[in-house]
Amino acid sequence: DAKTTQPPSMDCAEGRAANLPCNHSTISGNEYVYWYRQIHSQGPQYIIHGLKNNETNEMASLIITEDRKSSTLILPHATLRDTAVYYCIVREWNNDMRFGAGTRLTVKP
Amino acid sequence: DGGITQSPKYLFRKEGQNVTLSCEQNLNHDAMYWYRQDPGQGLRLIYYSQIVNDFQKGDIAEGYSVSREKKESFPLTVTSAQKNPTAFYLCASSIAVNTEAFFGQGTRLTVV
Repeated sequence: DAKTTQPPSMDCAEGRAANLPCNHSTISGNEYVYWYRQIHSQGPQYIIHGLKNNETNEMASLIITEDRKSSTLILPHATLRDTAVYYCIVREWNNDMRFGAGTRLTVKP
Repeated sequence: DGGITQSPKYLFRKEGQNVTLSCEQNLNHDAMYWYRQDPGQGLRLIYYSQIVNDFQKGDIAEGYSVSREKKESFPLTVTSAQKNPTAFYLCASSIAVNTEAFFGQGTRLTVV
């Protein structure tokens, strides 16, 4: 079973920041948090990952709480092309990778 | 051009026939994965392999088989034992546990 919980859907206005939450209360010390997104009928696209520090790249920022039990993906200026299903994943020690149902983000004009 | 390739993009088979989906990567990745996705659902792990000649069952391995004879190839066979094989199948690869995985564009299998 997936080790993360995400809201099933969210809306965001174009140009505004999109903040996507994820709960992973059973995360262990060596597990990373990964975020991917999937645009309809395509393979998922990697966005960002982190262990315990906040991370930022050209696509997004990842904020991980101090206790590591939850995280937030931030798309700073959402565009219509950011409409997709976003998956938060906790990567296990034995290198497998399990997805939950994700959050369907809809960016509206 | 480096990447992960799945073929074909669309595949049709008659019920009761086995079918093999191809997944090839030239990224020199050790780990490879197969997922199944049904309409409106998330990805479910079928099988994964950490290294050549080794693989493990995921959450829904029944009715599927895999092989990992070469590092760059991880074919998935959907057998006649799979009760509901029509789905979108995705393959992925990664170097190690703390690096990102790359996905293919998927194969949409329809069994009639």
